[in-house]
Amino acid sequence: NAGVTQTPKFQVLKTGQSMTLQCAQDMNHNSMYWYRQDPGMGLRLIYYSASEGTTDKGEVPNGYNVSRLNKREFSLRLESAAPSQTSVYFCASSESGGRAEQYFGPGTRLTVT
Amino acid sequence: GQQVMQIPQYQHVQEGEDFTTYCNSSTTLSNIQWYKQRPGGHPVFLIQLVKSGEVKKQKRLTFQFGEAKKNSSLHITATQTTDVGTYFCAQNQGGKLIFGQGTELSVKP
Repeated sequence: NAGVTQTPKFQVLKTGQSMTLQCAQDMNHNSMYWYRQDPGMGLRLIYYSASEGTTDKGEVPNGYNVSRLNKREFSLRLESAAPSQTSVYFCASSESGGRAEQYFGPGTRLTVT
Repeated sequence: GQQVMQIPQYQHVQEGEDFTTYCNSSTTLSNIQWYKQRPGGHPVFLIQLVKSGEVKKQKRLTFQFGEAKKNSSLHITATQTTDVGTYFCAQNQGGKLIFGQGTELSVKP
């Protein structure tokens, strides 16, 4: 079991470039999440998918889009990167929302110059 | 939405000293989870509390949920260097978790 995997591990973008962060889980979990982590701000929810075929906005969705490709995969897209999106991005999954523990991937460190 | 405030933001202790971090909410929580993140790592689930007044222990870690279900605490007895990291509480809000800002613990050997 690989758990939750994320690619890439590191990325540097120029302002205005686009990219997609990939996330996959092999635990047959229903729910998947994208967070960003900035110093002193904790983990902030960007988007989540309670089940295959559904997505919802979290606390900080502006500038991002997501796709729940299938039950295993949940991608995060930055259409036009901005320096304010420099952060560490974590994907997580859980059996179901709210009361189930979340399993996190190793993270993607993104720098936008 | 609901906000969970976590204090302190930082705590520096000497190895062997105790450590406590607190989460406080203005509204009643249905449940609360605790996670630990080692430096450079990802958050890892520690425990979930559901019942009013619940106390759970994991070796040197003691977790409490307040009687009114508006606050929670994590207490570490006799800290070790392996306890270094950031501890987060997270509340269930409409089927998703909202995390506190975290308490960063450093332990001086």
